[in-house]
Amino acid sequence: DVKVTQSSRYLVKRTGEKVFLECVQDMDHENMFWYRQDPGLGLRLIYFSYDVKMKEKGDIPEGYSVSREKKERFSLILESASTNQTSMYLCASTLSRGGVANEKLFFGSGTQLSVL
Amino acid sequence: GDSVTQMEGPVTLSEEAFLTINCTYTATGYPSLFWYVQYPGEGLQLLLKATKADDKGSNKGFEATYRKETTSFHLEKGSVQVSDSAVYFCALGSGNTPLVFGKGTRLSVIA
Repeated sequence: DVKVTQSSRYLVKRTGEKVFLECVQDMDHENMFWYRQDPGLGLRLIYFSYDVKMKEKGDIPEGYSVSREKKERFSLILESASTNQTSMYLCASTLSRGGVANEKLFFGSGTQLSVL
Repeated sequence: GDSVTQMEGPVTLSEEAFLTINCTYTATGYPSLFWYVQYPGEGLQLLLKATKADDKGSNKGFEATYRKETTSFHLEKGSVQVSDSAVYFCALGSGNTPLVFGKGTRLSVIA
């Protein structure tokens, strides 16, 4: 089965630090996504990528950037972490380039980030 | 834009009770509909899906029917178990845009 691996399960950072969240998938998937999950707000899309070196803003991109230098790896970057970025971050991937509407999303286990 | 509204939780049920979690959607086209489940400490995983009107998705005793006339995709299970305790997300997919998720409904099943 597909494996989506997020580098850290728990992370504690200080306000103003630059933070990297790493995500790797092992099944040659084209599409990768970053969501954040907050109580009462559900999942909100931060950024996504349908190809290497390609990125698209999601619904809440402010304060974040992403990098996709290799197909299997999609990194989320918090340029200057703030307390309102304390959240659970979930990475996901799907197989095909087109027609993502019918595709099954494979999720990592998440990174719980606390910004103090 | 497209959106999904699902019933707010938490929902607490006794073992073997009947479960319904309501989900309605707004979409301009003909979306695919999904239910994802998140067990404690894990990421989301696909529970079931339906890609066109009147389709029924089913898995692990859960069912949901794509109702175009009521724009709904309610999740049901006839007899819940403690192991079904989780957060359930309804989601909508359309064209080549990323899935839109509902806010999630937490289910607790007590023995």
